[in-house]
Amino acid sequence: TQLLEQSPQFLSIQEGENLTVYCNSSSVFSSLQWYRQEPGEGPVLLVTVVTGGEVKKLKRLTFQFGDARKDSSLHITAAQTGDTGLYLCAGLNTGGFKTIFGAGTRLFVKA
Amino acid sequence: GAGVSQSPRYKVAKRGQDVALRCDPISGHVSLFWYQQALGQGPEFLTYFQNEAQLDKSGLPSDRFFAERPEGSVSTLKIQRTQQEDSAVYLCASSPLWRTASTNEKLFFGSGTQLSVL
Repeated sequence: TQLLEQSPQFLSIQEGENLTVYCNSSSVFSSLQWYRQEPGEGPVLLVTVVTGGEVKKLKRLTFQFGDARKDSSLHITAAQTGDTGLYLCAGLNTGGFKTIFGAGTRLFVKA
Repeated sequence: GAGVSQSPRYKVAKRGQDVALRCDPISGHVSLFWYQQALGQGPEFLTYFQNEAQLDKSGLPSDRFFAERPEGSVSTLKIQRTQQEDSAVYLCASSPLWRTASTNEKLFFGSGTQLSVL
């Protein structure tokens, strides 16, 4: 069974700080996705990374897919209170239909 | 509708009761997924439908869990004889594409049904 491990589990920072969260696996994934989930809502897709070594930017968010396609990172520059939420990485289970999720990193940005 | 709609939003059940959770996917979406999300955890896959066909039900925790999508649109997740460990948020997601072994397209999630079993 493929697993996605995310770290840290919880992160509390001040507005304006930078942060990086990680998603790691011992398995190779054809692609990885990052979702953000706010309390009481379903996850919303932020980005999909497909090519090993790929870097994608979405405003203040920078996503990187590891060269071996086993890991990914999300870097947020100058965090804002609106960035607060649960950040989930997700990958397609090999040979099956299921998208599997990590346990998530819960980010809290204080004003 | 504009998005994936789930009802009820909240459900409180006594242990042993049967419950039915409804999902209205985005119109025209072929793929439909059910996930279970325990408090503080990521979503765990339950089952997948491609139109009316249930192609993967490997994540259903026990035979008390049953899902259907008879006409390829609305889906219902039924839990019989609920137990306290069934307490979780049940998320439904849909996608306009057929799921293949190599595609990992965007999933559109509903807001979920929060089930509490007392």
